[in-house]
Amino acid sequence: ETGVTQTPRHLVMGMTNKKSLKCEQHLGHNAMYWYKQSAKKPLELMFVYSLEERVENNSVPSRFSPECPNSSHLFLHLHTLQPEDSALYLCASSPSSGGVDTQYFGPGTRLTVL
Amino acid sequence: GQNIDQPTEMTATEGAIVQINCTYQTSGFNGLFWYQQHAGEAPTFLSYNVLDGLEEKGRFSSFLSRSKGYSYLLLKELQMKDSASYLCAVIDSNYQLIWGAGTKLIIKP
Repeated sequence: ETGVTQTPRHLVMGMTNKKSLKCEQHLGHNAMYWYKQSAKKPLELMFVYSLEERVENNSVPSRFSPECPNSSHLFLHLHTLQPEDSALYLCASSPSSGGVDTQYFGPGTRLTVL
Repeated sequence: GQNIDQPTEMTATEGAIVQINCTYQTSGFNGLFWYQQHAGEAPTFLSYNVLDGLEEKGRFSSFLSRSKGYSYLLLKELQMKDSASYLCAVIDSNYQLIWGAGTKLIIKP
């Protein structure tokens, strides 16, 4: 596998379910990101990790809980979501956080909350 | 506030040329990215501009005017596979990446 991979690609869940999104990068990067992409809206940065430490949390509701066990893996744990949380969730990585490094994206998880 | 403006949707003909504009108002400027995103796929890097002028890369070129807060992506000899969304993003003075909502480009035969 190369680049940034995400699983699952599609997820349908009820508001009371608990699920997790997984991201893995094979690029040797030190920074990883979670974004939310809704139709016709700019990408919303949710979390940034640098060397497994969270460096940014953009006022994201606590029903989203990130985890970065090592620099290659990133999870987003989901609990008691709302229908408005339905969106495409993108993971990205870059050589370092901040700066002008190009971010490399995974294909995303299409989440539908019923 | 910080803002990136791009047209929501554009249509062009196969073989033609199209220019996608991006204007920005940000607190400082440390560079501008263009990404391409096919439906259901990952955004992929196209170009990075930090100095004024035109950067050419094959059929795609990107232009930047920092004084005008303006960039465009120029696509030549359009192919059907160029149908995608094109995302403009600016790095502000805090090295935060500010994203536009993207321009959906539809190519017709």
